[in-house]
Amino acid sequence: AQSVTQLGSHVSVSEGALVLLRCNYSSSVPPYLFWYVQYPNQGLQLLLKYTTGATLVKGINGFEAEFKKSETSFHLTKPSSHMSDAAEYFCAVSETGNNRKLIWGLGTSLAVNP
Amino acid sequence: DGGITQSPKYLFRKEGQNVTLSCEQNLNHDAMYWYRQDPGQGLRLIYYSQIVNDFQKGDIAEGYSVSREKKESFPLTVTSAQKNPTAFYLCASSKQAGTGPLYEQYFGPGTRLTVT
Repeated sequence: AQSVTQLGSHVSVSEGALVLLRCNYSSSVPPYLFWYVQYPNQGLQLLLKYTTGATLVKGINGFEAEFKKSETSFHLTKPSSHMSDAAEYFCAVSETGNNRKLIWGLGTSLAVNP
Repeated sequence: DGGITQSPKYLFRKEGQNVTLSCEQNLNHDAMYWYRQDPGQGLRLIYYSQIVNDFQKGDIAEGYSVSREKKESFPLTVTSAQKNPTAFYLCASSKQAGTGPLYEQYFGPGTRLTVT
């Protein structure tokens, strides 16, 4: 069965520092890959996605992610963090087969310190 | 504006009562999903539906029921059989066929259910 692993349930950075949130997946075929952000007591919002084509994907709010097939990874980065980036981040991959559900990581809580 | 609405935002019930959470979408999406979110456990799939009048159990369907009589609507009932119903519930939808972004899920704002 497919799975998604997000390394680090909590990540803390200083404002202005690089943000790196890690996501690894297990899949026998290249999946669709997604990063979502969730602010407290709100629904999830799509940050970016990889389907096909260019492996470096740019998203909203200055985030980007790179699909590395050889490493089965899709890490999320932002060069310079802002206080408003503090939130929960979820990585997801599309399930193979007919259902096309998303398989979710457990999330990483990002804290940004002044 | 297209989107997903969930109502109410906060819901309080007494133990032993059934409660129905509303989810409506005007995105013309075929598939709809219900997730439960608890601290530290990510999103867990309760039920999903890929087409009207059809739905499948997710990973934690026990104690829940759904219906999909209209494409736009996918209500979730939390029954008294659900042992620990207090949680944040999220509804989502996605496009499953045709042109445009496929499988990308769009989420509602969530309903926080508290049962005492």
